[in-house]
Amino acid sequence: QSVLTQPPSVSAAPGQKVTISCSGTYSNIGSNYVSWYQQFPGTAPKLLIYDSRRRPSGIPDRFSGSKSGTSAALAITGLQTGDEADYYCATWDYSLSAGVFGGGTKLTVL
Amino acid sequence: QVQLVQSGDEARKTGASVKVSCKASGYTFTKYAIHWVRQAPGQRPEWIGWINADTYNTQYLQKFQGRLTFTTDTSASTVYMELSSLRSEDTATYYCARESPDCITPAFDLWGQGSLVTVSS
Repeated sequence: QSVLTQPPSVSAAPGQKVTISCSGTYSNIGSNYVSWYQQFPGTAPKLLIYDSRRRPSGIPDRFSGSKSGTSAALAITGLQTGDEADYYCATWDYSLSAGVFGGGTKLTVL
Repeated sequence: QVQLVQSGDEARKTGASVKVSCKASGYTFTKYAIHWVRQAPGQRPEWIGWINADTYNTQYLQKFQGRLTFTTDTSASTVYMELSSLRSEDTATYYCARESPDCITPAFDLWGQGSLVTVSS
């Protein structure tokens, strides 16, 4: 069982907005910033968001992150079929002294 | 070109060891920490540890203590991950990933292509 909890799947139509949630505890999300990754089958994860809401250069502003208390969220607007992928949240857990990932959310663009 | 290039896929028997390399290029190797993340088929990524490429300090996920070793060859801009006493549950794709220099909480802005390690009896 993952330390960080994500919905297994979300779906929305092209052009719409979707939000993926990530729930943790005080020892992880409650005490640290969150990063988000996009992963296509057979490829390495790609960093979308770090420090909860910052985007690396080259990541479009359709992707945004937020954090409140022990939960975080990734929002994707203007959905495209090319956004279909698995999305993972991640952070540091001080009680485990380890990085931790969420269970992943599969995004389907209908 | 800024990249991390890993060694190829490996197959091992239970109880054996495996060593995966991760060669960095296009940036100053010693300025960034390298983390290792593994992902079993169909599973979430699992962080397993990191190494400071400058100080050689390491940290391992507790459950791997004694079985996992990270080393560096600064002259070759390469980090190595060695996992011993392999078990079937160690079958996974192993990724090296660079820690972003801009982050407050570790985040990984550059990833290797992954090395599949398959363990069987």
